[in-house]
Amino acid sequence: EVQLVESGGGLVQPGGSLRLSCAASGFIVSSKYMSWVRQAPPGKGLEWVSVIYSGGSTYYADSVKGRFTISRDNSKNTLYLQMNSLRLEDTAVYYCARDRSSYGAPGAFDIWGQGTMVTVSS
Amino acid sequence: QSALTQPASVSGSPGQSITISCTGTSSDVGYYNFVSWYQQHPGKAPKLVIYDVSNRPSGVSNRFSGSKSGNTASLTISGLQTEDEADYYCSSYTSSSTLVFGGGTKLTVL
Repeated sequence: EVQLVESGGGLVQPGGSLRLSCAASGFIVSSKYMSWVRQAPPGKGLEWVSVIYSGGSTYYADSVKGRFTISRDNSKNTLYLQMNSLRLEDTAVYYCARDRSSYGAPGAFDIWGQGTMVTVSS
Repeated sequence: QSALTQPASVSGSPGQSITISCTGTSSDVGYYNFVSWYQQHPGKAPKLVIYDVSNRPSGVSNRFSGSKSGNTASLTISGLQTEDEADYYCSSYTSSSTLVFGGGTKLTVL
């Protein structure tokens, strides 16, 4: 079964760091474009955060550029999001998502994880 | 990276058709045919219903269709069913090699 399972969320103080993990099964993470998408509570809209291409190139939303880093461990078939200098406005449910394509442009996310909650608060 | 513009809410009766618009710019929706639509029920992860403007993933009902004209993409749901009641989001690839989502539209099936 194709599946994504996130972990690593929690409560962190402003300025702190957190690393999210997204374990994949049923497919090879490095063969697909993989993204992180977040959704602020309660019931706010979706916000794209970052993508890593199958070739390894990475891109970020302006709101997280310079603070977040997307990466993957091919041996563990796992995607990561290292989040530093966290701000109150980073509070959200973070989803990892698989792109249905591995060529062309990203953005058609056909598999999503269940999400992991990150709360930035003092 | 301004969010794409969607109506906050739309409504329709069972059996009717509704259309949700998604307006961007010549740097995203208007430039690329990489527009996707997602359905999200409360407490659930989003589900892809349309990709590349008008393509349906396997398993998605043919009641869902997508189109684009200029800087505006549209999602049409025909033969509305109660289970279609959800939030809908559009997204587009941009000329900055990033992605942008719309603000979301709440669909109410009366």
